[in-house]
Amino acid sequence: NAGVTQTPKFQVLKTGQSMTLQCAQDMNHEYMSWYRQDPGMGLRLIHYSVGAGITDQGEVPNGYNVSRSTTEDFPLRLLSAAPSQTSVYFCASRRLVRGEQYFGPGTRLTVT
Amino acid sequence: AQKITQTQPGMFVQEKEAVTLDCTYDTSDQSYGLFWYKQPSSGEMIFLIYQGSYDEQNATEGRYSLNFQKARKSANLVISASQLGDSAMYFCAMRESQGGSEKLVFGKGMKLTVNP
Repeated sequence: NAGVTQTPKFQVLKTGQSMTLQCAQDMNHEYMSWYRQDPGMGLRLIHYSVGAGITDQGEVPNGYNVSRSTTEDFPLRLLSAAPSQTSVYFCASRRLVRGEQYFGPGTRLTVT
Repeated sequence: AQKITQTQPGMFVQEKEAVTLDCTYDTSDQSYGLFWYKQPSSGEMIFLIYQGSYDEQNATEGRYSLNFQKARKSANLVISASQLGDSAMYFCAMRESQGGSEKLVFGKGMKLTVNP
């Protein structure tokens, strides 16, 4: 079991560029989510999905898109990167009911 | 309003001593779950312990125990016999239901330093 994998580990973007952060899990978890972590702010939920074809917004969704075409994959798209999106991004997955949440290793994104 | 409150920005403890990390929460749900995660300097988020709102006994996982006081809405993490490797950021989180979906809400975290 690889658990939750994320690519890339590091990324530098220029303002206005777009990119996709990849996330995959091999535990057949229904629930997947994306968080961003900023200093002093803890983790904040961006988007989440309770199953293939179903996504919903979290606390800070603006500037991000997601899709869930398979159970395994949950990519996060930055449409037009802004310096305010400089952060560490974590993908996570768990069983829908009473499951502990497993996190990926994170992606450190810098937008200049 | 903040759902998860961790008021201690940082704590220091001597190796081998016990330490309590505070967490209070706010919810009107009857069914919810409380989690603690550890984030070492390497950055990964490591699950430590889980307490369900209907669990009658306090959760324990090795050196970690959760002091769950439902009436006071507190879910403090107790680490017994601290080790140098326990130095890290610690996050309390709550799973709550909103609009039929479940979300995990995190506190801002606190930094624990274990001194030799």
